[in-house]
Amino acid sequence: NAGVTQTPKFRVLKTGQSMTLLCAQDMNHEYMYWYRQDPGMGLRLIHYSVGEGTTAKGEVPDGYNVSRLKKQNFLLGLESAAPSQTSVYFCASSYPRHRWNTEAFFGQGTRLTVV
Amino acid sequence: QQQVKQSPQSLIVQKGGISIINCAYENTAFDYFPWYQQFPGKGPALLIAIRPDVSEKKEGRFTISFNKSAKQFSLHIMDSQPGDSATYFCAASKGGTSYGKLTFGQGTILTVHP
Repeated sequence: NAGVTQTPKFRVLKTGQSMTLLCAQDMNHEYMYWYRQDPGMGLRLIHYSVGEGTTAKGEVPDGYNVSRLKKQNFLLGLESAAPSQTSVYFCASSYPRHRWNTEAFFGQGTRLTVV
Repeated sequence: QQQVKQSPQSLIVQKGGISIINCAYENTAFDYFPWYQQFPGKGPALLIAIRPDVSEKKEGRFTISFNKSAKQFSLHIMDSQPGDSATYFCAASKGGTSYGKLTFGQGTILTVHP
């Protein structure tokens, strides 16, 4: 089991460029999430999906778009990158079997620098 | 608006000591409180979690204490080891389909000196 796999692991973009971050999970999880991690801010939810074909906004969605065409994949897009989007991005997935078992499994992260 | 506030930002402990990290939350709709551990270059991983109908949960050297009336919870690491050096995040989520949507604290960088 690979768990949650993110590609790429590192990327440098110029302001205004676009890119897509790919997240793949092999645990048959229904829920998937994109977070960004910034120093002193913890992790903040960008967008999430509760199933194939569904997406919803999180805490900091501006400047990002997502798609969940297949259950195992969750894509995060930046249409026009800005320096403020320099961050480490984490994808996570979970399958809430019941109320007290909602462990989120995280990928290893994508370090994005926008210059 | 930070719904989960975590302190301290950094913590240095000697091997064998007790590490204590505190969190406070505002939203009374939160009903699941996990702690995540993150090593450099890795994603966070679930360490231990508690639900609000218990005041304490212990797993090995790790204990969560929960005070519902004060809206506070804390992580205690007993007999801290150099291998515990990592960043720790408290988090909270609401019920229903929101269970996986975590609101994180700011994180605490723990360093355990040998």
